[in-house]
Amino acid sequence: TQLLEQSPQFLSIQEGENLTVYCNSSSVFSSLQWYRQEPGEGPVLLVTVVTGGEVKKLKRLTFQFGDARKDSSLHITAAQPGDTGLYLCAGARGGTSYGKLTFGQGTILTVHP
Amino acid sequence: EADIYQTPRYLVIGTGKKITLECSQTMGHDKMYWYQQDPGMELHLIHYSYGVNSTEKGDLSSESTVSRIRTEHFPLTLESARPSHTSQYLCASSELGLAGPLGEQFFGPGTRLTVL
Repeated sequence: TQLLEQSPQFLSIQEGENLTVYCNSSSVFSSLQWYRQEPGEGPVLLVTVVTGGEVKKLKRLTFQFGDARKDSSLHITAAQPGDTGLYLCAGARGGTSYGKLTFGQGTILTVHP
Repeated sequence: EADIYQTPRYLVIGTGKKITLECSQTMGHDKMYWYQQDPGMELHLIHYSYGVNSTEKGDLSSESTVSRIRTEHFPLTLESARPSHTSQYLCASSELGLAGPLGEQFFGPGTRLTVL
């Protein structure tokens, strides 16, 4: 059972379009991270959201954490070819899962010039 | 910028060989992790460590082993490589946030392993 469902799995758009990637779970997370990974490289942390309802902006990227801390979304405005990559959400929980992250399946984004 | 290094970046070997994938970080992080990832897919945790002399198996069963003799070093060893071990191996580290476990992990560039 996938604890973090990420959608869509694939997204192919033209430069200038907007897009949203979703990350959903039935579990509550103490925090949620978004990473971006390019082929042949390790994931790079984009943002961490901690508070339910929190919204963070990073230039053209807007991240939102659900009120119940079970879901999150990443919205990209006016996508550019440089945004192409694999986007991963990952949730942190306490208890026996302390210190470990649960990753979503990832969204492969391709932005065509 | 995170300072976590992995060597080699690429490795092609024959079946039955013993290999060690190196991972080092200079951030003084207590927690370190090994993930296995197929191209464009999710990450699967195979090993983690909360400090020196601490190692635990992750969520995905793996025939590899790890050791943590020094804080900065977390090598992964395969005693006898097989084609089914072909994958990308990613090392990561993290530290405890002041207000609790934020969970942020910093990743190395990965080792692409191919077993023929």
